[in-house]
Amino acid sequence: DIVMTQGALPNPVPSGESASITCQSSKSLLHSNGKTYLNWYLQRPGQSPQLLIYWMSTRASGVSDRFSGSGSGTDFTLKISSVEAEDVGVYYCQQFLEYPNTFGAGTKLELK
Amino acid sequence: EVQLVESGGGLVQPGRSLKLSCAASGFTFSNYYMAWVRQAPKKGLEWVATISTSGSRTYYPDSVKGRFTISRDNAKSSLYLQMNSLKSEDTATYYCARAPSWYFDFWGPGTMVTVSS
Repeated sequence: DIVMTQGALPNPVPSGESASITCQSSKSLLHSNGKTYLNWYLQRPGQSPQLLIYWMSTRASGVSDRFSGSGSGTDFTLKISSVEAEDVGVYYCQQFLEYPNTFGAGTKLELK
Repeated sequence: EVQLVESGGGLVQPGRSLKLSCAASGFTFSNYYMAWVRQAPKKGLEWVATISTSGSRTYYPDSVKGRFTISRDNAKSSLYLQMNSLKSEDTATYYCARAPSWYFDFWGPGTMVTVSS
């Protein structure tokens, strides 16, 4: 199985500052079709997860442009520019290259 | 508006069975792969099962393979998860999710399953 490893944030993050969350996969997520099958989700307290970024860098519908995704085949970053109160929660990366789909353990963002 | 609403959760004894349902609305259900994802209390997300549009193809992780069965009724816009031989480690909130491609773009609010004697 592909293992997803997420980095921690230096919490709490001051409001208005940027934050970067890292995720590393044990195998390249670059498909032969050129797409990288890495997704990002945010789970706000008491809510179900919501999709933020798919295919490493494509923002989901309705997601603020303060969120951006980047990376290579195995190392990925979710950047949040100008953190706001609504960004608080746990962020998960997920690989969708192969079954079983696997998630990272999550990275918690707290606001100062 | 896309809506996914899970039901069927509850308290069940180890070794028993339970069937979860997910009612979908606001989109053409038969056009989408669907999935179940679970989250144990205070833990992260774990993918549980995926089913193709027609239901002919299903996928499971080893942790539930042979015990769980995902199915769908496109006429009723409903997704199901039959869970047999339940174990304490199956205790979790179970989410129904839509998979338009290689990601989950909408999730239901979840239904809680507690496996305990």
